[in-house]
Amino acid sequence: GESVGLHLPTLSVQEGDNSIINCAYSNSASDYFIWYKQESGKGPQFIIDIRSNMDKRQGQRVTVLLNKTVKHLSLQIAATQPGDSAVYFCAEARTGNTPLVFGKGTRLSVIA
Amino acid sequence: DVKVTQSSRYLVKRTGEKVFLECVQDMDHENMFWYRQDPGLGLRLIYFSYDVKMKEKGDIPEGYSVSREKKERFSLILESASTNQTSMYLCASRSSGTYEQYFGPGTRLTVT
Repeated sequence: GESVGLHLPTLSVQEGDNSIINCAYSNSASDYFIWYKQESGKGPQFIIDIRSNMDKRQGQRVTVLLNKTVKHLSLQIAATQPGDSAVYFCAEARTGNTPLVFGKGTRLSVIA
Repeated sequence: DVKVTQSSRYLVKRTGEKVFLECVQDMDHENMFWYRQDPGLGLRLIYFSYDVKMKEKGDIPEGYSVSREKKERFSLILESASTNQTSMYLCASRSSGTYEQYFGPGTRLTVT
């Protein structure tokens, strides 16, 4: 079936290192992707998005890469900080006014 | 800033009780959503609404109903709470024609 999923459920990185969180999607008709960050006790918050006509988008310390050939999405966090510790979700938007479809999430733990 | 508020952060109810979870957004968004979040399962869509008095079933509507009498308010109703409805409930909203969904802080419901 169609799904949005993640390769790794947990990721531990040393403070200052770069983090890479991966996500696979299966619907080639998806035209928009979002990464959300959810800290403990809070709702998910928008980090960065990318449209299907792009393959890379950069924000502040974050970069999202989209590989439509293999239906793969990644979130790169530069110089990971303790405040980056959270669960990260990818979400895809399919055509029309439909709800986002979320992956199961990856927990990022930053080791000081 | 967009603000989505949920009526309670924590709620404890007994099996068989009728439970109301309220969500209010202040950005005049047309679309509103209810998700439940469980460990290892990510965010699952229960119901959503494109406009006042409109509702659509999501992926797991069984045991739930919703009400949208005013544009800013979307209520989730558990007609007869059961222990398997113990979960984190997240409300979200977004404007039509956009993809980004804004989330509330969540309500952690425990049914005993």
